Amino acid sequence: AQSVTQLDSHVSVSEGTPVLLRCNYSSSYSPSLFWYVQHPNKGLQLLLKYTSAATLVKGINGFEAEFKKSETSFHLTKPSAHMSDAAEYFCVVTGGRIQGAQKLVFGQGTRLTINP
Amino acid sequence: DAGVTQSPTHLIKTRGQQVTLRCSPKSGHDTVSWYQQALGQGPQFIFQYYEEEERQRGNFPDRFSGHQFPNYSSELNVNALLLGDSALYLCASSFIGQGNYGYTFGSGTRLTVV
Repeated sequence: AQSVTQLDSHVSVSEGTPVLLRCNYSSSYSPSLFWYVQHPNKGLQLLLKYTSAATLVKGINGFEAEFKKSETSFHLTKPSAHMSDAAEYFCVVTGGRIQGAQKLVFGQGTRLTINP
Repeated sequence: DAGVTQSPTHLIKTRGQQVTLRCSPKSGHDTVSWYQQALGQGPQFIFQYYEEEERQRGNFPDRFSGHQFPNYSSELNVNALLLGDSALYLCASSFIGQGNYGYTFGSGTRLTVV
């Protein structure tokens, strides 16, 4: 079974400072990992995905994440926060024996607040 | 290129009633998954449809049922609504051949049960 733990329910940073959103995962299989962002009253937008290629994954809007198997972590970072980054962020894991698209298992989410 | 379209965007139902939510997948996608997102929570997987059959199911009661049509669109039906069914219902489409690499989400249907 797969599971995800987002270690912070709320992160607050100042504009222009680095962002770190932490995620640990558990999976019985080689996982695929994702970060999604959800702005208020909007659907989920994919930021980046890890699918067993390079361990450092670059996404949209300057975000990146590093897959660390030894630590079972997939933390999301951004060097410099922008006001438009304020949103809810979800770490997601999937993986299993079923071929093709599998169910996504979401973390509880981290609300990112950007202070001017 | 149209993404995933869900209807309606909002609706209010009374406890005990039945509701049907609709989803049109992204062009080229053949698989539809449904998720329930309660307030302040991450989305929870309800079920997935491919080739008009339920392919995977999460931990939801039989009150939750679905259907996929030949044009790949899908419906989510919930019977005997409970107050706890109030949530944002998200539809995600994908192409079975892409494995886990290509999910697209709709903006969701906000269901309020009173």
